[in-house]
This record gives sequence, C-alpha cells and structure tokens, in this order.
Amino acid sequence: EDKVVQSPLSLVVHEGDTVTLNCSYEVTNFRSLLWYKQEKKAPTFLFMLTSSGIEKKSGRLSSILDKKELSSILNITATQTGDSAIYLCAVGANNAGNMLTFGGGTRLMVKP
Amino acid sequence: GAVVSQHPSRVICKSGTSVKIECRSLDFQATTMFWYRQFPKQSLMLMATSNEGSKATYEQGVEKDKFLINHASLTLSTLTVTSAHPEDSSFYICSAPGTPYGYTFGSGTRLTVV
Repeated sequence: EDKVVQSPLSLVVHEGDTVTLNCSYEVTNFRSLLWYKQEKKAPTFLFMLTSSGIEKKSGRLSSILDKKELSSILNITATQTGDSAIYLCAVGANNAGNMLTFGGGTRLMVKP
Repeated sequence: GAVVSQHPSRVICKSGTSVKIECRSLDFQATTMFWYRQFPKQSLMLMATSNEGSKATYEQGVEKDKFLINHASLTLSTLTVTSAHPEDSSFYICSAPGTPYGYTFGSGTRLTVV
C-alpha cells in the first residue's frame, strides 16, 4: 500500500523565520510528487516534482525531490503571516490510474 | 488554465435527507474524477474514483450505497450523500487529473447535517 508521511505535524514560527517541511513516501512505480497549500478551501498547487535533485522555486518557496531517500522538502524563507496554512504533499504512481496519495499535512502557523 | 467548478460550496441539510454535489470541468474533459473528504485538521482522504461511462471505484470502508457517484459525461461528476447523518458532516472536494499542473481541485463543499 502506498504511503506518504509528512513532518512535522504542526509548526509555529514568527515572521521572518525560515521553515522546512518534510515529506517521505513509499510508493510503487513513483511518477511525481506534488506540494499544495490549503487555507480555507481547496488546495492550491505549489510544485510538481518528477526529477531528483532539481530545485523548483517560486518566490520565497522552493522544493526539491530526493528519489534515493524517497523524500522531498518544501522550504519557505522569510515567512509571512499569509503563509499560515496546511501544506499537503501528495504522490502519484504510474500504476494508480492518476490517483494521488496524500500525506497527513503540516499545519504551519506564522505569528507576527 | 483548467478549472473544476464545484457546487454547492456550503450546504446544511436535515438528517435523513440526500445531498448532491456537482463537479464540472469547465475547459477540459475529465474522464476521471477523484472524490475526497476532509475532516477538520486532517488531510484529504480519497473516497472514490469516478470514471466516465463506468462504475465508480470506492476505497475500502466507503459505503457505495451511501455515497452515490455518477460520472454522466466527460465534464460532469456528481456525488450524492444519501440519508445523510451528522457524522457525514465534512468537507468534500473533487479533483481531476490530466491538467497542465497534474491535477485541478474543485473549491470544495462544506456539508453540515443537522
């Protein structure tokens, strides 16, 4: 059974701090790993990672995949209160008919 | 970009009644739609996968007679919660694969059963 584990479960930081969120997976026939940010409603897409070692960057957010370690990290630098959200990691497999397996999420709270 | 429109966004219903949630792909064809539910402070849990023109596939523990899924066309999938009970109160969200970013989510439906 495919499995995705995120850590930490929750995190409280102050504005300006840098945070690193972790995602590890056990998936047969890995295809891609996706990061989402969820505030009050639907998750919003952040990154899709398919190749190991290539950093993807968007503003203060960046993410990288390590296929050898079966993991990914999501970094947020100079955090702002607007970064407060649940961050979800999901993994897609080639033999799963496009289905995603989600991790439990990391709840980030950024205090002023 | 690809958009999935989900309605209603919020619904309050009485115990024992049925509620239908619709997800429409607006500018692409969704042959598959994933339906998730999410309890407070928890992650998305896959309930079922609907496929246009065939029966839905349900995850273990999800009652198919209670959560009726219909994928009537390439742009519409519906989830009907039948004989709803308070424990069915949750956030339901759909997602379609195959878009440029991999997957597109609907905006979600918050169901409250009173």
